[in-house]
Amino acid sequence: SYELTQPPSVSVSPGQTARITCYGDALPNQYASWYQQKPGQAPVLVIYKGTERPSGIPERFSGSSSGTTVTLTISGVQAEDEADYYCQSADSSPTYVVFGGGTKLTVL
Amino acid sequence: EVQLVQSGAELKKPGESLKISCKASGYTFTTYWIAWVRQMPGKGLTWMGIVYPGDSDTKYSPSFQGQVTISADKSFSTAYLRWSSLKASDTAMYYCARLGYNSGWYLASWGQGTLVTVSS
Repeated sequence: SYELTQPPSVSVSPGQTARITCYGDALPNQYASWYQQKPGQAPVLVIYKGTERPSGIPERFSGSSSGTTVTLTISGVQAEDEADYYCQSADSSPTYVVFGGGTKLTVL
Repeated sequence: EVQLVQSGAELKKPGESLKISCKASGYTFTTYWIAWVRQMPGKGLTWMGIVYPGDSDTKYSPSFQGQVTISADKSFSTAYLRWSSLKASDTAMYYCARLGYNSGWYLASWGQGTLVTVSS
């Protein structure tokens, strides 16, 4: 089965830049999306189509792609950005949807 | 405004059946796929399956095929997730989400989640 691989954790100090990676063999052919989930809350879409931000998502959130790896970048990290982040992709039909294992972002 | 409102928390015993719901509003229910996602306690998100309310086309993750039934009722703009015989390992938060498409599929809007606890 197809998998997306994320690091379990990333730590940064306030004001620094956080980068969260997601690796998958199909990512050169599929756009990835990113979700933020805070404790006790439902996930929220922060990036879709690899680089697009939904309305209401701060500009400090951005996405990029290079081959089999996609990256969520949070510039000027704030304490409120501490959360779990998940990447996701799907085939074109859609026949399947897949999530990465999630990355816990800690703001020191 | 797109809204997905899920049914309330459930406490069930092993072997019991259960059907939880996800009521959609603010968009044309029949023209968007709805996904169900499981989150076990302290764990990540796992895709279970999707349903297209327009024609009830349904696709399942291999991990959940035969374990649950996903359906939708156009008359009530509601999607459902059903178990015929619950197990303790079904204890989890379950989310529904509406899929969006822009050169790739993504989960655009999420319900608030339904907590299912299975315990004897």
